[in-house]
Amino acid sequence: GAVVSQHPSWVICKSGTSVKIECRSLDFQATTMFWYRQFPKQSLMLMATSNEGSKATYEQGVEKDKFLINHASLTLSTLTVTSAHPEDSSFYICSAIAGSFYEQYFGPGTRLTVT
Amino acid sequence: GESVGLHLPTLSVQEGDNSIINCAYSNSASDYFIWYKQESGKGPQFIIDIRSNMDKRQGQRVTVLLNKTVKHLSLQIAATQPGDSAVYFCAEVESGGSNYKLTFGKGTLLTVNP
Repeated sequence: GAVVSQHPSWVICKSGTSVKIECRSLDFQATTMFWYRQFPKQSLMLMATSNEGSKATYEQGVEKDKFLINHASLTLSTLTVTSAHPEDSSFYICSAIAGSFYEQYFGPGTRLTVT
Repeated sequence: GESVGLHLPTLSVQEGDNSIINCAYSNSASDYFIWYKQESGKGPQFIIDIRSNMDKRQGQRVTVLLNKTVKHLSLQIAATQPGDSAVYFCAEVESGGSNYKLTFGKGTLLTVNP
């Protein structure tokens, strides 16, 4: 089946620094990837839709200058959390579409802790 | 609509029992629904889906029921096993819109006692 990986699986950074999270589709090409954020004991909230070769579409309330998304190839999207603060600590999950929207596969998530 | 809170609904069952997890969705225009299983520290895993032109769909040990009149979904797990312990989310999609996206419900924590 289709596999999506994320790197790193967990990261700890200091407040004010930037962190980059990678999302890769390992055995398929993904023209569209999605980035979600999940706080403890809460649901997944869509942050942005990432389309290969074009700018990401951000959900209302998500700061595009803080959460930089780059989808430079059909197998890689990156999320950079700039000037991270403790309130950005969360579980970040990506998903990728293989073919139609209904074939959406999720990555294993990245746990970000900002100290 | 779905509200996000700090306390997940929980369901505790004995191994071998049947489990029923419920979900209320918010958008009457949604026409595609999915159930996901999420184990601790992992990404969501697809379980089963259903389109709005159906009211029931069965998989292996799982059944999804859809009641569009009251905007309600349920996931039934037969002969629940300890490995079924996880958080279960329903998600809805309005495929007629210009921007497909999944909207997740708040989730239910299922605990299976051996």
